[in-house]
Amino acid sequence: GAVVSQHPSRVICKSGTSVKIECRSLDFQATTMFWYRQFPKKSLMLMATSNEGSKATYEQGVEKDKFLINHASLTLSTLTVTSAHPEDSSFYICSARVPGENEQFFGPGTRLTVL
Amino acid sequence: AQSVTQLGSHVSVSEGALVLLRCNYSSSVPPYLFWYVQYPNQGLQLLLKYTSAATLVKGINGFEAEFKKSETSFHLTKPSAHMSDAAEYFCAVTRGAFGNEKLTFGTGTRLTIIP
Repeated sequence: GAVVSQHPSRVICKSGTSVKIECRSLDFQATTMFWYRQFPKKSLMLMATSNEGSKATYEQGVEKDKFLINHASLTLSTLTVTSAHPEDSSFYICSARVPGENEQFFGPGTRLTVL
Repeated sequence: AQSVTQLGSHVSVSEGALVLLRCNYSSSVPPYLFWYVQYPNQGLQLLLKYTSAATLVKGINGFEAEFKKSETSFHLTKPSAHMSDAAEYFCAVTRGAFGNEKLTFGTGTRLTIIP
């Protein structure tokens, strides 16, 4: 099956710094990737849809300048949390869609802790 | 707009007993429906999906779900619970078209298995 990886799996950073999270589709090319945020004991909240070669589409209420998304290749999308603050601490999960299919394959998630 | 409602944020069953996790959906167009499982600090794994073919869908780990249009439901069942089934379960809906259709998740149900 399709495999999606995320790196790093855990990151701890100081308030005010920026953190980059990578999402890779390992055995297929993903023209569309999705970034989710999951709060403790809560559901997944879609943050943005990432399209290869074009600008990401952000959901209402998500700050574009704070959560920078780049989908530079068919196998890599990155999420950069800029000037991170403790309230940005969360579990971030990406997913990738196989072209022509409706199923999304999810990465293992990245736990971000901002001190 | 589409939505899913998962009744019961916590469900406990004895090992060997029937598992029933409820999901009701709302959609203005024929939906595609999914059940995902999430283990602690991990991403989501697809259990099964309904994509307008057979209404009774069988998935991995002995789970199955039945699409009932008249009841707008897609409940997840397993005849005999195993300790390894303890996890968080999410129901999700999408419109079913190809392209950049996004998934809308329910709030999740935490399944606990009693030895």
